[in-house]
Amino acid sequence: SAVISQKPSRDICQRGTSLTIQCQVDSQVTMMFWYRQQPGQSLTLIATANQGSEATYESGFVIDKFPISRPNLTFSTLTVSNMSPEDSSIYLCSVERRLNTEAFFGQGTRLTVV
Amino acid sequence: KNEVEQSPQNLTAQEGEFITINCSYSVGISALHWLQQHPGGGIVSLFMLSSGKKKHGRLIATINIQEKHSSLHITASHPRDSAVYICAVLRKETSGSRLTFGEGTQLTVNP
Repeated sequence: SAVISQKPSRDICQRGTSLTIQCQVDSQVTMMFWYRQQPGQSLTLIATANQGSEATYESGFVIDKFPISRPNLTFSTLTVSNMSPEDSSIYLCSVERRLNTEAFFGQGTRLTVV
Repeated sequence: KNEVEQSPQNLTAQEGEFITINCSYSVGISALHWLQQHPGGGIVSLFMLSSGKKKHGRLIATINIQEKHSSLHITASHPRDSAVYICAVLRKETSGSRLTFGEGTQLTVNP
């Protein structure tokens, strides 16, 4: 199994500000994923982050709004930029092991924008 | 129509009851996950299935690949089982694997 530490677990932020969410894994992983879960909705993939290359964003998500860093095989950050109340969601990171179909998730970050 | 559909959306049970949550999907998959999400938002993977049946404690998960259907069963339910249960299917694409999630089933077990 993989242990994922995601920080912060929750935050309340002012509109117009930015928040960076960190995801630390206890072992090297090839791919890391960032998801958003809006209230009452299922998880939606924001982007896939591979080490050493730019993140791949899903339709409806752009790098200027959700910049992602992946400096090494155990760490990634997601920034929610210029926040508005519509960004209030749970944000989750997830990892997939190389040659392994198991999925592991962080504890989630519950973001409220006021 | 969603590619992954769960039923029921909400389920309330009395402690000790046998619970079943269903998941149907419409795409080809390489595996199916059952996940548990607690109120804080964190998600725990309960099972990963590609065929047959798995059991862990009071939890049982089954999958029928031909019928594209999976079920999660909880025996002797307990209030601590109260959570959102999410079915997610793993599809292999040229760009890599991709998880598609159901909308979740909110389970409340009353003492």
